Amino acid sequence: DVKVTQSSRYLVKRTGEKVFLECVQDMDHENMFWYRQDPGLGLRLIYFSYDVKMKEKGDIPEGYSVSREKKERFSLILESASTNQTSMYLCASSPRDFYNEQFFGPGTRLTVL
Amino acid sequence: AQTVTQSQPEMSVQEAETVTLSCTYDTSESDYYLFWYKQPPSRQMILVIRQEAYKQQNATENRFSVNFQKAAKSFSLKISDSQLGDAAMYFCAYTLGANFGNEKLTFGTGTRLTIIP
Repeated sequence: DVKVTQSSRYLVKRTGEKVFLECVQDMDHENMFWYRQDPGLGLRLIYFSYDVKMKEKGDIPEGYSVSREKKERFSLILESASTNQTSMYLCASSPRDFYNEQFFGPGTRLTVL
Repeated sequence: AQTVTQSQPEMSVQEAETVTLSCTYDTSESDYYLFWYKQPPSRQMILVIRQEAYKQQNATENRFSVNFQKAAKSFSLKISDSQLGDAAMYFCAYTLGANFGNEKLTFGTGTRLTIIP
């Protein structure tokens, strides 16, 4: 079974703090993704990576950065957390095949106070 | 840009009955893939079913089936014999597929399905 894990299920941070969200997948997938999920808005893509050290902006990259130094690990960084970044963050990975079925982690619910 | 629309924020169905969740999408492409994902409360998102646009036959997975109408750009999910474990948020999603740089999924806003015992 594909397993995608995220470093925390719940996280509470203060405004202005630097926040790291970590995601690890164990199936040697080329692609990894970070989404945020908000009620009524569905999932919105923040960044994705199709290879080590490669990254592409998604639909809402402002206020975020990412890092992928190893194939299995994809980190989302909030350089200076703000209250409007309070959300559920989902990581996903997919193999580079025709279907691009994405496999999701359990999510991190981040609250910025 | 591709968009995916789910016009039913919430649906409910009696246990053992059938329910259909709606999804429409907008694209100018002819070859693409469509998915339904399920997110149970406090649990991980999982794939329910997928459909290749070049296939005319509707996909089926046990109690789950789709009605894919390519010309109408419609992709509805039918759940037969609804069970309590089907209660979840359901997301419709679209992707162009494996072409390099086109691996992104575009999601709808979701439909919350409640099963009434």
